[in-house]
Amino acid sequence: AQSVAQPEDQVNVAEGNPLTVKCTYSVSGNPYLFWYVQYPNRGLQFLLKYITGDNLVKGSYGFEAEFNKSQTSFHLKKPSALVSDSALYFCAVRDIGGEGGNKLTFGTGTQLKVEL
Amino acid sequence: NAGVTQTPKFQVLKTGQSMTLQCAQDMNHNSMYWYRQDPGMGLRLIYYSASEGTTDKGEVPNGYNVSRLNKREFSLRLESAAPSQTSVYFCASSEALAQTPRGPQYFGPGTRLLVL
Repeated sequence: AQSVAQPEDQVNVAEGNPLTVKCTYSVSGNPYLFWYVQYPNRGLQFLLKYITGDNLVKGSYGFEAEFNKSQTSFHLKKPSALVSDSALYFCAVRDIGGEGGNKLTFGTGTQLKVEL
Repeated sequence: NAGVTQTPKFQVLKTGQSMTLQCAQDMNHNSMYWYRQDPGMGLRLIYYSASEGTTDKGEVPNGYNVSRLNKREFSLRLESAAPSQTSVYFCASSEALAQTPRGPQYFGPGTRLLVL
C-alpha cells in the first residue's frame, strides 16, 4: 500500500535562512506528489505538485520541491524563510497504476516555525 | 468563485445524536472527498465520490454515511455520534479521479465537531 512519511514533527528556522521540510514516499506504481500548507483554523492549500518532467518543481509563495526517485523523496524547500511561512505542511502521494486506486495519501504533517 | 464551502463551521453534539455536514463546490469538479484530521495522524479519507452518482469507502468509513446529492454537493452524515468522532472534518474536490489523476484537491475551511 502507498504511504508517506514526514520524519520531523517540527522544523525551526530563522527568518532569512533556507528551509527544508522532508518527505519520503512508498508506492507500487508511479508517484504523483503534492505539498499542501495549512494555516491555523483553515483548510489545506495546494502549494505544488510533481507529475513528470523536471525533478525540481516550483510552486506558490517561493516554495520548490525536489523529486528524487532513487531516494523516494520529495523534500520541500525555500531559499529564504519568512515568519509568515510558519504553518503546518503536508506531503501527499497518489499511486498511479499501482495498488492505491489513484487515491491521495497524506503524511502526518510537519509544523514549520520561522523565528525572527 | 467561493471554491469549496462547508457548513457548519463548528458543532457540539451529545453521544448518540445525529447530524449532517454539508459541502458544496463551484469549480465543476467531478470528484469530492471527506477527510477527518486528528492530531498526529494527518488526514484520513472517510468516503469519496469519484463522480456524480457514485460513492466509495475510504480508510475510516465506519460510523459515517455520505450522499452525493448532485455534482456540486456532497454531504457526510453521522447517524449516532460517538466521542471518537470528535475531529476536524474537511471536504475537498478535484477533477475526475481516474480520468485526470494529475490534479490537486481543493479543500474547504473545515468543520470542527465535538462529541460529548
